Amino acid sequence: QVQLQESGPGLVKPSETLSLTCTVSGGSISGYYWSWIRQPPGKGLEWIGYVYYSGSTNYNPSLKSRVTISVDTSKNQVSLKLSSVTAADTAVYYCARFRSPYYSSSPFDPWGQGTLVTVSS
Amino acid sequence: EIVLTQSPGTLSLSPGERATLSCRASQSDSSTYLAWYQQKPGQAPRLLIYGASSRATGIPDRFSGSGSGTDFTLTISRLEPEDFAVYYCQYYGSSPRTFGPGTKIDIK
Repeated sequence: QVQLQESGPGLVKPSETLSLTCTVSGGSISGYYWSWIRQPPGKGLEWIGYVYYSGSTNYNPSLKSRVTISVDTSKNQVSLKLSSVTAADTAVYYCARFRSPYYSSSPFDPWGQGTLVTVSS
Repeated sequence: EIVLTQSPGTLSLSPGERATLSCRASQSDSSTYLAWYQQKPGQAPRLLIYGASSRATGIPDRFSGSGSGTDFTLTISRLEPEDFAVYYCQYYGSSPRTFGPGTKIDIK
């Protein structure tokens, strides 16, 4: 079964760019939409955006000016870049696959385990 | 943007009891693009219900979803010890994808 694993720096300085990678194993990136979601400590879930395996993207308007999500089918990886970070971007970042292939109106399943990113100098 | 409201914020129940969680959408798009997730401390959310009423793979039948339009319900018929967690609803019919603030079920 497909598994997702997030990786990247756990500490990022204010004003810098947060960069994370989601490595997909047990299945192919092709045919699916892939999303990033974050959760500040003790708070709820916020959708960041998604990318289709072809490279097309859709972002949360609240983050759109700072977010880039991309896909590397040769490496079976999905990447997230969030620029000009502040302490408000401190959160657990999850990657998730859309449940159904080729269909953008689909819930998130499965999810990676998540990775905590702290923004601090 | 569809805003989701969940109630109650916290539900205090005992094992074996029935849990009824509510999710209300700010507007209806005549769809059932509503999902429910369970999240336990330190874990990623897990998909329970999609399409308002379809159980995801491997989800026990004590979990059921219902509703349409703007009002949706997640019911856990008899709470097991592992069901004490936070539950989120999510709208996935269009962007931005949105989540409700969550309902926590804790042990009474």
